[in-house]
Amino acid sequence: AQTVTQSQPEMSVQEAETVTLSCTYDTSESNYYLFWYKQPPSRQMILVIRQEAYKQQNATENRFSVNFQKAAKSFSLKISDSQLGDTAMYFCAFMTPPWGKLQFGAGTQVVVTP
Amino acid sequence: NAGVTQTPKFRVLKTGQSMTLLCAQDMNHEYMYWYRQDPGMGLRLIHYSVGEGTTAKGEVPDGYNVSRLKKQNFLLGLESAAPSQTSVYFCASSYQGAPETQYFGPGTRLLVL
Repeated sequence: AQTVTQSQPEMSVQEAETVTLSCTYDTSESNYYLFWYKQPPSRQMILVIRQEAYKQQNATENRFSVNFQKAAKSFSLKISDSQLGDTAMYFCAFMTPPWGKLQFGAGTQVVVTP
Repeated sequence: NAGVTQTPKFRVLKTGQSMTLLCAQDMNHEYMYWYRQDPGMGLRLIHYSVGEGTTAKGEVPDGYNVSRLKKQNFLLGLESAAPSQTSVYFCASSYQGAPETQYFGPGTRLLVL
């Protein structure tokens, strides 16, 4: 069975500081996509960053970056210069062939404090 | 463009009642999906469709039926609602050529008493 594990239910960080969220996954597939989604209190699902498994270079999107360790099946998200608007639930997810079906972790609640 | 819209936003049902959730997208996407989100859990796939007239089961399909009669609409039906179906339901859509990029609707909160 394919699984996604987020071991940190909640993390708190001060404004301008850096926080790292962990995610591990298990799959026998060699080709897949990994994602981090943000869900603010509005409940809207927002794609933060995406990583293709065959690409060794870690993806970055402005203040968000990932550390993708394929052999360890680890996919952590780093939020730099945290802002109050980053307060949200963050979900790690992955997608394997046949493409389209996302599988999500349980989420990590990030709280950014002034 | 409205993107992905869901109707209704919130609904209360009594056990045994039936209802249909509507998902509509105006992006001409081939693929559409229904997920549910329960407290403390991530989204789980209920059913999905890779084209008009086709549907398939996801991870948690029991108690739900779906239909995709028009390309832009994907309906999720509950024939006999149960309290275990209290959840937030999300619809999503994507292009056939880029299924890794899913566009999500705002969600429908359903409470079954």
